[in-house]
Amino acid sequence: EAQVTQNPRYLITVTGKKLTVTCSQNMNHEYMSWYRQDPGLGLRQIYYSMNVEVTDKGDVPEGYKVSRKEKRNFPLILESPSPNQTSLYFCASSNRGTGGVWANVLTFGAGSRLTVL
Amino acid sequence: GENVEQHPSTLSVQEGDSAVIKCTYSDSASNYFPWYKQELGKRPQLIIDIRSNVGEKKDQRIAVTLNKTAKHFSLHITETQPEDSAVYFCAASTGTASKLTFGTGTRLQVTL
Repeated sequence: EAQVTQNPRYLITVTGKKLTVTCSQNMNHEYMSWYRQDPGLGLRQIYYSMNVEVTDKGDVPEGYKVSRKEKRNFPLILESPSPNQTSLYFCASSNRGTGGVWANVLTFGAGSRLTVL
Repeated sequence: GENVEQHPSTLSVQEGDSAVIKCTYSDSASNYFPWYKQELGKRPQLIIDIRSNVGEKKDQRIAVTLNKTAKHFSLHITETQPEDSAVYFCAASTGTASKLTFGTGTRLQVTL
């Protein structure tokens, strides 16, 4: 089954304790991205990657790191989590569209709800 | 960068009525406008999208219209049903860019 898998789905942690949220897709998608969802703010892009070893900042990258060493994996790293990073996180992936157009259907993971105390 | 505004933030309609959600965007270079539906506790899923070379697109009870001059686009749902209750997000992208900017979402409630 084609899917984007995120882990963990739920996590409660404390300020400053490094954590990693994993994201893996089995669709051979080039494009992967991380979003955070907060009430009243919608989905905001944290980082994205257009291919292996190619990553770039989204709208809210502060406090996050990512890596893309393999095409299928795109982990989100919080080196020193703070309470303002309490949020629902979604990983998403897509194919490149025809004619070099990137805009295409995003497949989202199930989400990871993170609480930082 | 792109800014997408979405209204209303909440919308309550009776079953069978129509619902309209509106979005405006700031970047005139944007040419791809998807709509995602997120049911309670679930992930967002694409329900319809439109590209700037098209003014309107329909898929059964849902339709999207685009006014490039005014830089706004709208989602129309006719004959609403309880299963239409969800949060709807609009988004905009320049297509050749990998960045997709989402609106803040509209919570639609369809009452019996």
